[in-house]
Amino acid sequence: DIVMTQTPLSSPVTLGQPASISCRSSQSLVHSDGNTYLSWLQQRPGQPPRLLIYKISNRFSGVPDRFSGSGAGTDFTLKISRVEAEDVGVYYCMQATQFPLTFGGGTKVEIK
Amino acid sequence: QVQLQESGPGLVKPSGTLSLTCAVSGGSISSSNWWSWVRQPPGKGLEWIGEIYHSGSTNYNPSLKSRVTISVDKSKNQFSLKLSSVTAADTAVYYCAICRAAAGRGLGRWGQGTLVTVSS
Repeated sequence: DIVMTQTPLSSPVTLGQPASISCRSSQSLVHSDGNTYLSWLQQRPGQPPRLLIYKISNRFSGVPDRFSGSGAGTDFTLKISRVEAEDVGVYYCMQATQFPLTFGGGTKVEIK
Repeated sequence: QVQLQESGPGLVKPSGTLSLTCAVSGGSISSSNWWSWVRQPPGKGLEWIGEIYHSGSTNYNPSLKSRVTISVDKSKNQFSLKLSSVTAADTAVYYCAICRAAAGRGLGRWGQGTLVTVSS
């Protein structure tokens, strides 16, 4: 299985300030079809996860442009340009390049 | 907009079989998407269980494969999960989700989830 490792575990952020989450995979996520199936999900307290970013950097429908994704190969980053109160929750990276699909352990974003 | 709703018993006895159904509304289960099950033990992270295509093709997590069956009922526009020989370690919130090919195999829509507790 591909192991997804996220850092930090927790990220206290001041409202209006940026936040950054890293995700590293145990092997390259480049699929034989040339795509990299790395996505980011947000889980607000008491809610199901919600897709934010797919294929490294593509924002899903309805996702604000303060969320952005970058990276390649085995190293990926999710950035929130200016954290808002509604961004509080746990963020997960997920790979769908190889079965089984696997998730990072999660990064908790909270307000200082 | 497609919506998903999980249903099934909230309590299952040890060694029994967990059975859940995910009803799909606002869209067809015969669309070009894979239909997934994901679980989350209380206070913990996410674990992918498996997925099914409307043709009946499946992919399972090897860690659960011997105990899992995912099936689809196109006439009812729903898909189902069965997990046999359950133990307390299978206690979790179970989510169904759409794995969207058009969104890079991202899990683009989720049900609200249903808590299943394994206890005698």
